[in-house]
Amino acid sequence: KAGVTQTPRYLIKTRGQQVTLSCSPISGHRSVSWYQQTPGQGLQFLFEYFSETQRNKGNFPGRFSGRQFSNSRSEMNVSTLELGDSALYLCASSLDGTGEETQYFGPGTRLLVL
Amino acid sequence: AQSVTQLGSHVSVSEGALVLLRCNYSSSVPPYLFWYVQYPNQGLQLLLKYTSAATLVKGINGFEAEFKKSETSFHLTKPSAHMSDAAEYFCAVSDSTNAGKSTFGDGTTLTVKP
Repeated sequence: KAGVTQTPRYLIKTRGQQVTLSCSPISGHRSVSWYQQTPGQGLQFLFEYFSETQRNKGNFPGRFSGRQFSNSRSEMNVSTLELGDSALYLCASSLDGTGEETQYFGPGTRLLVL
Repeated sequence: AQSVTQLGSHVSVSEGALVLLRCNYSSSVPPYLFWYVQYPNQGLQLLLKYTSAATLVKGINGFEAEFKKSETSFHLTKPSAHMSDAAEYFCAVSDSTNAGKSTFGDGTTLTVKP
């Protein structure tokens, strides 16, 4: 089976712009979670989608949003980019998103905001 | 609420020496515990997980961890370090009440000296 894929792998944007990141989960996985990884804050949970519905979200401002399509692919969007949004954005998929399931991570999208 | 504390942001061992990476957790409900490894510019790869079965868990690449409820610990060990073990290691906790969410520790960078 193919692993979790994320596109693009690298992105450079300027402050005030918006960005959309894409995640394709492992075939058959219906849960997709997004995380932000920075040197200062570590790995922080953004949100989780299951069957096109957001089931859980972390403590991020409303500029961070996401969606999931019927084929379980997910996108996350960040509007009005700030310098502090520079980070590695990781998505992870699992079958149903239950706590004991293994989350399979993609390679991440590295976003640099100038 | 969940939290994870990894003691020691940097650990250095000699090749062939014991590896011990410490993880303590806090959870208000029965936890599921995970250890992940991250190589530069890559996503996270699961090493092993505890899901309330055996308290001693064996993972890939010779790693194992023991769940100790009384000490709220889930330390990662490997009897003999290899150069290829040099990477960043993350301990994470999840539970049945938070769909798709894992809470991560700050990570421990393992250096292996020849």
